[in-house]
Amino acid sequence: DVVLTQTPVAQPVTLGDQASISCRSSQSLVHSNGNTYLEWYLQKPGQSPQLLIYKVSNRFSGVPDRFIGSGSGSDFTLKISRVEPEDLGVYYCFQATHDPFTFGSGTKLEIK
Amino acid sequence: EVQLVESGGGLVQPGRSLKLSCVASGFTFNNYWMTWIRQAPGKGLEWVASITNTGGSTYYPDSVKGRFTISRDNAKSTLYLQMNSLRSEDTATYYCTRGPTRFDYWGQGVMVTVSS
Repeated sequence: DVVLTQTPVAQPVTLGDQASISCRSSQSLVHSNGNTYLEWYLQKPGQSPQLLIYKVSNRFSGVPDRFIGSGSGSDFTLKISRVEPEDLGVYYCFQATHDPFTFGSGTKLEIK
Repeated sequence: EVQLVESGGGLVQPGRSLKLSCVASGFTFNNYWMTWIRQAPGKGLEWVASITNTGGSTYYPDSVKGRFTISRDNAKSTLYLQMNSLRSEDTATYYCTRGPTRFDYWGQGVMVTVSS
């Protein structure tokens, strides 16, 4: 199975600053069709997860442009600029290139 | 407005069965693949099962293959998860989601506790 390693486990951040989360895959996430199925989800406290980014860098409808996904192959990053209180929670990366689909173990974005 | 409402959770003994339901509304259900994702208490997310829009194909990870069955009734806009031979490690909140990936809508989740 593909293992997604997220770092850091916890990211203390000052509101208004930038945060960066890494997601590294145990193998390339480039599908045979040329697409890279790497997604990012945010789970706010007490809520269901919500989709932020799909296919590495595509923001889902309504997601602020402060959220930027990037990367290729097996190395991916989510950057959140000008962190706001509603951005706090646990961020998960997810791959749907290889069966079985797998999630990273999560990165908790918290106030410093 | 898209809504996914799960039900059917509860406390069940190891080895027993349970069936979850997810009623969908606000979109054309039979146009979309659907997926179940679970989250053990205090843990991360795990993909559990997916089904094509027609119900003709289903997909599972090895951890539940042969024990869980995903199905759907498009006439009732309802997704199901039949869980047999339940184990303590199946204890989790189970989420119904739309899509084979790019899970754009999630239910509120339903808790399943497997314990004697």
